[in-house]
Amino acid sequence: DAGITQSPRHKVTETGTPVTLRCHQTENHRYMYWYRQDPGHGLRLIHYSYGVKDTDKGEVSDGYSVSRSKTEDFLLTLESATSSQTSVYFCAISESHRDTYEQYFGPGTRLTVT
Amino acid sequence: QKEVEQDPGPLSVPEGAIVSLNCTYSNSAFQYFMWYRQYSRKGPELLMYTYSSGNKEDGRFTAQVDKSSKYISLFIRDSQPSDSATYLCAMSSPNTGNQFYFGTGTSLTVIP
Repeated sequence: DAGITQSPRHKVTETGTPVTLRCHQTENHRYMYWYRQDPGHGLRLIHYSYGVKDTDKGEVSDGYSVSRSKTEDFLLTLESATSSQTSVYFCAISESHRDTYEQYFGPGTRLTVT
Repeated sequence: QKEVEQDPGPLSVPEGAIVSLNCTYSNSAFQYFMWYRQYSRKGPELLMYTYSSGNKEDGRFTAQVDKSSKYISLFIRDSQPSDSATYLCAMSSPNTGNQFYFGTGTSLTVIP
């Protein structure tokens, strides 16, 4: 998984509780992304980061916040989890050069909100 | 209209068959085209990467990009049961703010 780890790998939580997912990379890549993957929707971008403390919203950012205080770590927080946030969450990293623009994914976190 | 369209399948073929997977897209600014393979309960892994137009071959896999038709394809020759997975296309452009746009994935089963 290209030096990307995600924690926890599985989590069950109750509606209304805060949840933080962690992505850690050892590749020193500039860009980091959080996606959620749901049947029929494919991968949808939640937030992404283009450097330390530099983040931006993706397609489905409502209800989520992120932080990146170090190059290697990108945190995704669900402030008050809802059942609609039950999903598989993937972190990805990329580096941008003139003709290279690939993304590499972590193993995923399976989150269930009851 | 979605940025990227991909037939979800499922697609089922006998071992040894040639498989063709396809995506269409609407944004003519896309320049980077990728195919990912995702096994059940795993993260997507990068399979093929193509910059701009043309073909790229890697072993049994060939990726084609037709920018005039906004159409990309992945061909798998001599398909194996180990190729059974979901295949996702993805594309991006420096003009899309470093965002990648994914198809919903095509589920492939290769029957021994």
